[in-house]
Amino acid sequence: GQSLEQPSEVTAVEGAIVQINCTYQTSGFYGLSWYQQHDGGAPTFLSYNALDGLEETGRFSSFLSRSDSYGYLLLQELQMKDSASYFCAVRDGRSGAGSYQLTFGKGTKLSVIP
Amino acid sequence: EAGVVQSPRYKIIEKKQPVAFWCNPISGHNTLYWYRQNLGQGPELLIRYENEEAVDDSQLPKDRFSAERLKGVDSTLKIQPAELGDSAVYLCASSLTPPSYEQYFGPGTRLTVT
Repeated sequence: GQSLEQPSEVTAVEGAIVQINCTYQTSGFYGLSWYQQHDGGAPTFLSYNALDGLEETGRFSSFLSRSDSYGYLLLQELQMKDSASYFCAVRDGRSGAGSYQLTFGKGTKLSVIP
Repeated sequence: EAGVVQSPRYKIIEKKQPVAFWCNPISGHNTLYWYRQNLGQGPELLIRYENEEAVDDSQLPKDRFSAERLKGVDSTLKIQPAELGDSAVYLCASSLTPPSYEQYFGPGTRLTVT
């Protein structure tokens, strides 16, 4: 079956850099997504990696290593508003190559402190 | 551009009562998803529609849950009868077709079953 592991909580200081790791086990892996969710809010898309390497979008970067079944989200120049839960999600191939089903991890609650 | 709209935002019902949730996706998004999110967990897919066709409902508890998407736009998710374990946030999301790893989520309906 599918499983994703990510730390449940991370605390970091404003202005610092934090890395949130995600390891996965899945059949027919196609890509890894990251979503942000503030308390009481909707999940919002941050990034997607289908190939190995680093993708950068402003202060956020995401990395994927398919051979290690591992990825991470890197947040730089942390701001208080970055306090939220971050979910990794795998796009898997349970339903074939045309499947776009996402399976989400349990999320990492990031607390940014002054 | 308006985002995904859901109503109601909050619902409290007694067990064994029926309940319905409504979703209006982003205009032009032909794929619609219903997720359930338990406290401290990631979203779990219940059903996915492509236009008006349910293409993945393998995780929908069909004995008590039903969904419809008439005319391929708005969708309704129903629970009848509700059980205590159904307390959760029900999220609706939409994406462009073909189904995308980048999904746009609504604010969700927080259901409490007493």
